Amino acid sequence: ETGVTQTPRHLVMGMTNKKSLKCEQHLGHNAMYWYKQSAKKPLELMFVYSLEERVENNSVPSRFSPECPNSSHLFLHLHTLQPEDSALYLCASSQEQGAFYNSPLHFGNGTRLTVT
Amino acid sequence: GESVGLHLPTLSVQEGDNSIINCAYSNSASDYFIWYKQESGKGPQFIIDIRSNMDKRQGQRVTVLLNKTVKHLSLQIAATQPGDSAVYFCAENSAGNQFYFGTGTSLTVIP
Repeated sequence: ETGVTQTPRHLVMGMTNKKSLKCEQHLGHNAMYWYKQSAKKPLELMFVYSLEERVENNSVPSRFSPECPNSSHLFLHLHTLQPEDSALYLCASSQEQGAFYNSPLHFGNGTRLTVT
Repeated sequence: GESVGLHLPTLSVQEGDNSIINCAYSNSASDYFIWYKQESGKGPQFIIDIRSNMDKRQGQRVTVLLNKTVKHLSLQIAATQPGDSAVYFCAENSAGNQFYFGTGTSLTVIP
């Protein structure tokens, strides 16, 4: 069983809807991430939070809005998405000590998002 | 930008044989490398990592080899089993910069 849980597993939404993706990590890590995985493309980093503060926003459109209320929970709020936003959205966590990106990422099983 | 790629998009091996999955990277400053396994319907699962001060690292049935001279990384799986069927991809970074991921190699184990 993964130490990072994501809900929902599948989501279908229209372009005018507002929905949220939820992620919870049970590993005691201090950093959390959102990644986008599209078919036949490498994982794309979207957002990084360290100790509940956003440390990186990788030029993501404003229709994606992250929220990190505490070190164990991460949300991705979605509104007015486009069909090309359909993808697998992965949450990850890591335990950073000193330098960032210095330890492995632990991923959840993702939310498969379809925008119609 | 970074470039992380794999030599072959698909690999089929007979059950019990050894598998070798390759990864090329372009940033000579990369110093930390990870192999992930992703099964259908699941997220990437950490397999093994290696830092640039090492050439080889072994885990349970897996070995990662790093050749910094030619910027090449490989994952060797011993006695491949049907449960090893998945997409495998490498990730690399340098000096605290974000990870860059390959597109993956699909491994199919033939019973």
